[in-house]
Amino acid sequence: GENVEQHPSTLSVQEGDSAVIKCTYSDSASNYFPWYKQELGKRPQLIIDIRSNVGEKKDQRIAVTLNKTAKHFSLHITETQPADSAVYFCAASIRSSGNNLFFGTGTRLTVIP
Amino acid sequence: DAGVTQSPTHLIKTRGQQVTLRCSPKSGHDTVSWYQQALGQGPQFIFQYYEEEERQRGNFPDRFSGHQFPNYSSELNVNALLLGDSALYLCASSTSGSTVDTQYFGPGTRLTVL
Repeated sequence: GENVEQHPSTLSVQEGDSAVIKCTYSDSASNYFPWYKQELGKRPQLIIDIRSNVGEKKDQRIAVTLNKTAKHFSLHITETQPADSAVYFCAASIRSSGNNLFFGTGTRLTVIP
Repeated sequence: DAGVTQSPTHLIKTRGQQVTLRCSPKSGHDTVSWYQQALGQGPQFIFQYYEEEERQRGNFPDRFSGHQFPNYSSELNVNALLLGDSALYLCASSTSGSTVDTQYFGPGTRLTVL
């Protein structure tokens, strides 16, 4: 089955700096890559996603890039704010196989004011 | 528009007991997936229900079973509880439409097995 690895496990940045989280996947058939933000005690919330026919997608301060050849994708957060502090999970799935998500182990992001 | 809801919020059981968790999908969604999230880990896929049938299953034993009702709501049942079953159980809903991939998560049920 699909194996998703995520790095780093923890990340601390100063407010206003950028944060980058990287993930790799093993199954070349995976074609959908969402990112979820989970605050303590709350549900995972989708923040951005990308499909395999797109190399980059941006939504305000958040962007995701995908390299299908290398089988890795990254989350970029610019101008970080304390409210960005949370655990971020990447995931991968194969749409034709029911789209069940395989998650990475998470990155705890701390934005220092 | 109601989002994904789950009940109960918290549950405490003892080893060997059985538990049933419930999920109502987001309005307009017909597919429900269940995930187990152990403390400090990413969610792990248990199974997915569509058209009242289990469509896909992850690497979980037969003690984990489920059901989907005609109104698309779903139940997760776990028999013969083990200490290791303590986790946050999340359900996620989505549509089976060919252009929609997004899964929306419920708030989860925190299960503690003593």
